[in-house]
Amino acid sequence: RKEVEQDPGPFNVPEGATVAFNCTYSNSASQSFFWYRQDCRKEPKLLMSVYSSGNEDGRFTAQLNRASQYISLLIRDSKLSDSATYLCAVTPSNTGKLIFGQGTTLQVKP
Amino acid sequence: DGGITQSPKYLFRKEGQNVTLSCEQNLNHDAMYWYRQDPGQGLRLIYYSQIVNDFQKGDIAEGYSVSREKKESFPLTVTSAQKNPTAFYLCASSEDRFNQPQHFGDGTRLSIL
Repeated sequence: RKEVEQDPGPFNVPEGATVAFNCTYSNSASQSFFWYRQDCRKEPKLLMSVYSSGNEDGRFTAQLNRASQYISLLIRDSKLSDSATYLCAVTPSNTGKLIFGQGTTLQVKP
Repeated sequence: DGGITQSPKYLFRKEGQNVTLSCEQNLNHDAMYWYRQDPGQGLRLIYYSQIVNDFQKGDIAEGYSVSREKKESFPLTVTSAQKNPTAFYLCASSEDRFNQPQHFGDGTRLSIL
């Protein structure tokens, strides 16, 4: 089993839709959690950290479920510009490393 | 502007040749990382350094080497022992190993001639 797993998609949604991605992790001692956005042939850019109590940034909401060992990203009112690959990243315990999922591709269509 | 600079943006390697990818940061970050990304894949960790003059192997270190002689610089050498070097190479840094997240340079695309 991979340490961090995501459904690669693609998720094809119309503009204005709400879409959610999950990311599961295998190490129950994982400490830090992040969502990154990666556009085609570009570097990943930090979208948001994921806090235990959940957090929101505009149309984006991140949640952490430690009991079931997954994090989620909810995007409301999808825009064409949200089309990208979304990578989750997890710090397993005190390793000083980030483990990335393979990414979920989102295509928002007019 | 503070950030991470990778060079060159594109690089071509001949058979049997070693090539070095540059990564410089002016964020005063202690920790630096090198990743490889293949098409349609996630990021795989090659090497990381948590402090000057120290570095550790990541998950796919074979065929690569690094140095960390200065805090701001973490060059990656792709040696001739790396038989499948064609990939997108990304350098990242974080304040320290405990204070993620990591921030990325804009990458180097390496291809075989």
